[in-house]
Amino acid sequence: DAGVIQSPRHEVTEMGQEVTLRCKPISGHNSLFWYRQTMMRGLELLIYFNNNVPIDDSGMPEDRFSAKMPNASFSTLKIQPSEPRDSAVYFCASTLTGDYTEAFFGQGTRLTVV
Amino acid sequence: SQKIEQNSEALNIQEGKTATLTCNYTNYSPAYLQWYRQDPGRGPVFLLLIRENEKEKRKERLKVTFDTTLKQSLFHITASQPADSATYLCALNPGNTPLVFGKGTRLSVIA
Repeated sequence: DAGVIQSPRHEVTEMGQEVTLRCKPISGHNSLFWYRQTMMRGLELLIYFNNNVPIDDSGMPEDRFSAKMPNASFSTLKIQPSEPRDSAVYFCASTLTGDYTEAFFGQGTRLTVV
Repeated sequence: SQKIEQNSEALNIQEGKTATLTCNYTNYSPAYLQWYRQDPGRGPVFLLLIRENEKEKRKERLKVTFDTTLKQSLFHITASQPADSATYLCALNPGNTPLVFGKGTRLSVIA
């Protein structure tokens, strides 16, 4: 398996524009997580899915953020409209559901909003 | 409030020495704790998992301890090498919820 695949790797956009980040989890993994990483706050959980169902989105900063998982092999994180303070590295991770399981991370998407 | 703290933001050591990184947590009762390595421009990569009933876990030059009384985990790299330079993150499982991560310690091993 190629691991967790995220696209794009880098995104530069203007304030106010819509941004869509994409993630393909490892085949067979049934939990998917979106994290955001900044120097100030480290890795923060935004939302996670079990079996394609959103379980907890309390980490999503505002209504401008939304995430979907239409099937077991694809998820998107959308920011609309984007703001400069959204600039960060966004990671997707997947695991098998259950205790004592390690998380597998993608390479991340570095988002810069100017 | 719940917190995970990795005591040092950065740690510099000489090649060949043992690096010791600390992870402290408050107001959590994790069933296990994990350590990850993150290189610049990459996602975190899993290294080790230690359960609450385990005191110590080893993997090659890596050793992790877990003291649930002190609410602390120590991560050791023995005979450190420049290739060990990276950011190391601790993460814990606060129950039936996703991993919560510390901010990480950036380790530099100097030749």
